[in-house]
This record gives sequence, structure tokens and C-alpha cells, in this order.
Amino acid sequence: NAGVMQNPRHLVRRRGQEARLRCSPMKGHSHVYWYRQLPEEGLKFMVYLQKENIIDESGMPKERFSAEFPKEGPSILRIQQVVRGDSAAYFCASSPPGANSPLHFGNGTRLTVT
Amino acid sequence: EDQVTQSPEALRLQEGESSSLNCSYTVSGLRGLFWYRQDPGKGPEFLFTLYSAGEEKEKERLKATLTKKESFLHITAPKPEDSATYLCAPSLSGNQFYFGTGTSLTVIP
Repeated sequence: NAGVMQNPRHLVRRRGQEARLRCSPMKGHSHVYWYRQLPEEGLKFMVYLQKENIIDESGMPKERFSAEFPKEGPSILRIQQVVRGDSAAYFCASSPPGANSPLHFGNGTRLTVT
Repeated sequence: EDQVTQSPEALRLQEGESSSLNCSYTVSGLRGLFWYRQDPGKGPEFLFTLYSAGEEKEKERLKATLTKKESFLHITAPKPEDSATYLCAPSLSGNQFYFGTGTSLTVIP
């Protein structure tokens, strides 16, 4: 059973470029979550999606950030015009349908903005 | 305001020295309390879910307990391979999960 797959594992972007982070959930999981983690800080919720729907984006910055989970293919977290403050580890998690199921995490994408 | 506090921030134990990690929370509408382990460079790995006060779960040297305001992760006779950051996450309605900043555990041989 493949776990949650994130790619790339490491991504370097210059200021002003776009970053695209991909997440393939576990088989049978229809819920996807994105979290950001900075050194010495906890996991900060960004967005919760189901197939073709954004359920909760209350943790997402209003500008430059967007997320999607299309009917086919992986979930994408997109950051436009990156700035140094966007440097962080971005984790994707998935869960099966049903309330209160545990989240299963990928190993993250480490974004470095130079 | 919903809050999650984990203590201590860091803990160093000798191999075999038992201890407990604390997760205190002030959230409304708690639906469950989740514990995770995170190794450096990896994503969090699910350990336990606790749903009601008084509930206990065990896995190898770890035991998690839950009261109305806090949860404990007890580590009995730890080994160096138990070294990791342990995260707790209360779950609220709407499938919201709030993660604490974790306890970094180091077990010295």
C-alpha cells in the first residue's frame, strides 16, 4: 500500500517565481489537507479539500496561495511570486471518508526561496 | 480561542528511564485527540486516537491517556529508537485538526 506521496521532496525557487507542490493521497482517501511547518514551530493548517471542492481554506494566505484537488490527478498547492518567507516544509495529509479519521502524512516538500 | 500546549518542549532521558509527555488543550467541540510521532525530515506518523475521557491506548512502550482537559503520553523504559518529536492534535467538528508544537524526546543509550 503506497502511502501519501509528495513531490518534489526539495524545491528551490528564486523570489518571484512560482512553486507547485503535488500530493497524491493514499488509495481510497478522498480528503486532502495541506499544512506548513517552520523550524521550531508546529504544523499550521492551510487548507482542507475533497475531490473538486475546497472545504476549508481558513489557514490559507489570501494572496498568492491556491490549492486544488481535481477529479483526476494529484492535489496541487500553488504559490505564486514566492518570497523568502514562504520557505518552509509543506506537508500533505489524507484521510478516508468519515468523520474523525486520522490523517496520514506524506514526507513533505521542503521549499527554499533564494 | 482554541489552544493546544505541549510540555515539556524538550526531554532528555536515559535509556530505561520512564516519563510522561503532556498535551493540554482548550478547544470547544472536541471530537478526538490524536498523537503522532515525527522523525527529522519525515512527515508525522499516526500513533493513537482517543475519543473520550478515561480512555487509554497502548502500543509497545507507549501509552496514551485522556482527561477532559489534557492527554498524557507515557513512555515506559524508552529506547534510543524512541527519540523523535511527539505531536498531539485535538480534532474539532468540521474535521479540523490543531497541532501542538511538540515535545522533542531524546533517549540516551
